[in-house]
Amino acid sequence: AQKITQTQPGMFVQEKEAVTLDCTYDTSDQSYGLFWYKQPSSGEMIFLIYQGSYDEQNATEGRYSLNFQKARKSANLVISASQLGDSAMYFCAMRGDGGFKTIFGAGTRLFVKA
Amino acid sequence: ETGVTQTPRHLVMGMTNKKSLKCEQHLGHNAMYWYKQSAKKPLELMFVYSLEERVENNSVPSRFSPECPNSSHLFLHLHTLQPEDSALYLCASSQDRVLGDGTDTQYFGPGTRLTVL
Repeated sequence: AQKITQTQPGMFVQEKEAVTLDCTYDTSDQSYGLFWYKQPSSGEMIFLIYQGSYDEQNATEGRYSLNFQKARKSANLVISASQLGDSAMYFCAMRGDGGFKTIFGAGTRLFVKA
Repeated sequence: ETGVTQTPRHLVMGMTNKKSLKCEQHLGHNAMYWYKQSAKKPLELMFVYSLEERVENNSVPSRFSPECPNSSHLFLHLHTLQPEDSALYLCASSQDRVLGDGTDTQYFGPGTRLTVL
């Protein structure tokens, strides 16, 4: 069975510093995709970054980077130069072979301090 | 009009009411999804439509009835709901190029916050 684990219910970071949000996954699929989403208090799920299981390089999108360690089955999100607007819930998600189902982790709430 | 839109944004209904949630995507995608997000629970996939055909139905009670009249529109018809159905209902869409390769990103709407009294 596929599973996503986010072990940090809440994280604090000082403005302008970097922060890492942890995500581990479990799957027997050979091909899969890993995603990170941001959910502000307004409710909308905002796509941040994607990593394919066969991608050899870590994905980057602006201030977001994904630290992908396939052997350890981890896909941590790194946010550099945190901003107050980064305060939100962050969800790690995975989609595997053979279907449309994407599974989500429980989320990490990030608080950015001024 | 951008991305994925959902109406209404907020809905309060009694257990005997019938209402519908609407989702519209302006991204040219061929798959659409309904998710339920309850407090303190992971996001739950409810229904998936690909090319206007339902391809996933994850043991959702029959009081939730989806409808996908075309690739841009998705509805969720609600009737005789229970208070435990109160949640944020999120719609998403994706462009599924190859079934099962895991790469297709889902883009979400702002959600409908539903309260059942």
